[in-house]
Formats: sequence, C-alpha cells, structure tokens
Amino acid sequence: AQRVTQPEKLLSVFKGAPVELKCNYSYSGSPELFWYVQYSRQRLQLLLRHISRESIKGFTADLNKGETSFHLKKPFAQEEDSAMYYCALVASGGSYIPTFGRGTSLIVHP
Amino acid sequence: DSGVTQTPKHLITATGQRVTLRCSPRSGDLSVYWYQQSLDQGLQFLIQYYNGEERAKGNILERFSAQQFPDLHSELNLSSLELGDSALYFCASSVAGAGANVLTFGAGSRLTVL
Repeated sequence: AQRVTQPEKLLSVFKGAPVELKCNYSYSGSPELFWYVQYSRQRLQLLLRHISRESIKGFTADLNKGETSFHLKKPFAQEEDSAMYYCALVASGGSYIPTFGRGTSLIVHP
Repeated sequence: DSGVTQTPKHLITATGQRVTLRCSPRSGDLSVYWYQQSLDQGLQFLIQYYNGEERAKGNILERFSAQQFPDLHSELNLSSLELGDSALYFCASSVAGAGANVLTFGAGSRLTVL
C-alpha cells in the first residue's frame, strides 16, 4: 500500500524567505504526485502535478525517485502563499485513488 | 455554479442517529469520491463511484454507505453515529474513473456528533 508523509504540520516563514514543504512517499511502483492547496475560506484545489513540470505561482516540485520525495519549493515566499498544502500520490496501475498526506500549514509573516 | 456542490455545510446531531450527506459533481464529471478528514488526520479515502457504479472502496465503516444516482449526484449515509464520526466530509469529482485524474473538491460537510 502507498503512503504519503508530510513531516511538518506547520511551517512558519517571513515574506521573501525561501520555502520548502516536504513530502515523502512509499510506493514500490511508478507514482504520480500532486500538490493540492487550500487557501483560507476556499476549497481544496490542485496546485501542480509532477508530470506537468510547471511552475505555478512560483512553486515548483521535483519528483526524486531515489529519495522517494516530492518537495514543494518557492524561492521567495509571499503572504498570499499562506495556506494548507497537501501532497497526494496516485499509484499507476492501481485503483488510481489519490492518497493524501496530513497536510502542512504554511504561514508567511509580513 | 458548475463546481462540486455539497449539502449540508454543517450538521450537528446526536450519537446513534443517521445522516445523509449529498454531493453534486462538477458538470461533465462522471466520478465521485468521498473523503473523511478528522482532527489531525489527512484526507482518508472512503469510496468512489463512477457513472453510477462503485469503483473503489477505502477504509469505509460498515455503518457508512453511499450511492451514485442516474443524475450522477451521490449521497453518503452515516448511521449509528459515534462521537468519533465527527469530521469534515469532502466530496470530489473527476472526469473519468481511471487514470491519475485531477480531483475537483467541494467545500465539505462538517459533521458534529454530540
């Protein structure tokens, strides 16, 4: 069975500082990884997925199969980045049901 | 609103009772997923339906059941409620039933069992 671990419940940084939200996974096959975000009073929504290799709102994430990680990074945090971030894994060849981590709350101080 | 609609937004009930949560998927989406989010827990997958049929089952208790109707809306029925069932229940939808689909989430239904 697959598992997603987000080791930090809370990450607090100042505006302009670099941000890295950690995500580690366990899955023996080839996974697809996602980051979802929930801003205050808004719905959970997709931020980015690893196959897109895009930078969304300045965030990037690289799938590292050797370290089984998919950390979310942004070089300069903004106050509007404050939100709850969830890492999710979909196991290819399986049921395709996303498995979510417990989430990391990012707070960006002015 | 063509997004995922969940009702009710909030529900307070007593132990032993039964409640029904309703979800209308985004227009055009055939697949509906139910997740439970308890305090300090991530999103726990409960069940998925695709075009009216159960497609996958997660850690759903026997006291819980769900169905998807011909108009594609779905209902999650929770019975013999216990205090531990208090949680935020999310519904999500996607276009297809297989493949690594992006989920569109509803706002959630917050259930409080007293």
